[in-house]
Amino acid sequence: GAVVSQHPSWVICKSGTSVKIECRSLDFQATTMFWYRQFPKQSLMLMATSNEGSKATYEQGVEKDKFLINHASLTLSTLTVTSAHPEDSSFYICSATGTPGGTTGELFFGEGSRLTVL
Amino acid sequence: QQQVKQSPQSLIVQKGGISIINCAYENTAFDYFPWYQQFPGKGPALLIAIRPDVSEKKEGRFTISFNKSAKQFSLHIMDSQPGDSATYFCAASLMYTGNQFYFGTGTSLTVIP
Repeated sequence: GAVVSQHPSWVICKSGTSVKIECRSLDFQATTMFWYRQFPKQSLMLMATSNEGSKATYEQGVEKDKFLINHASLTLSTLTVTSAHPEDSSFYICSATGTPGGTTGELFFGEGSRLTVL
Repeated sequence: QQQVKQSPQSLIVQKGGISIINCAYENTAFDYFPWYQQFPGKGPALLIAIRPDVSEKKEGRFTISFNKSAKQFSLHIMDSQPGDSATYFCAASLMYTGNQFYFGTGTSLTVIP
């Protein structure tokens, strides 16, 4: 399957700092990228959907000023957690869909990023 | 309203047994039904997927059964192995009319040696 690379895989930061997580589609053009948050033993919670070159669409209850999403190119989307606090500690996962290998619409996930805010 | 309902929440199976996870969906317009496997600390990985024009798809030990009239689909893992222990998510999507994916709540599978 197609490869989606997410970086960093884990990050520890102090409260009040900002953290950027990158999501790259390595072998296909990702027309749409999704960002999820996952708590331990819980399902995937969709945070936002981003299409290349346009503003992200946030799910209800997700603070767009706190979770900044940029999808500037067809292979890169970033999630910035601004002024992070301990309650933002979580597992963040990106996914991408596009046209990998000619197949339309399949969804591929990154490896996830574990954020710990001290 | 939850678009995709998944059961059971957890499942324990003996090695060599059959694991069955079920999902039901609401929207008859869904046209793509993937299953994802997630190991702890990792992102979900696409396992197998089916389109509504077929009733069954098999890849190795993994089979999807699809019942369009009942709006249900299930994942069967034959000869379950301890290495299959993971969380499984079903999903449904409007593949050709928009990039929206709806996920089930996940099933934690434990295969006992």
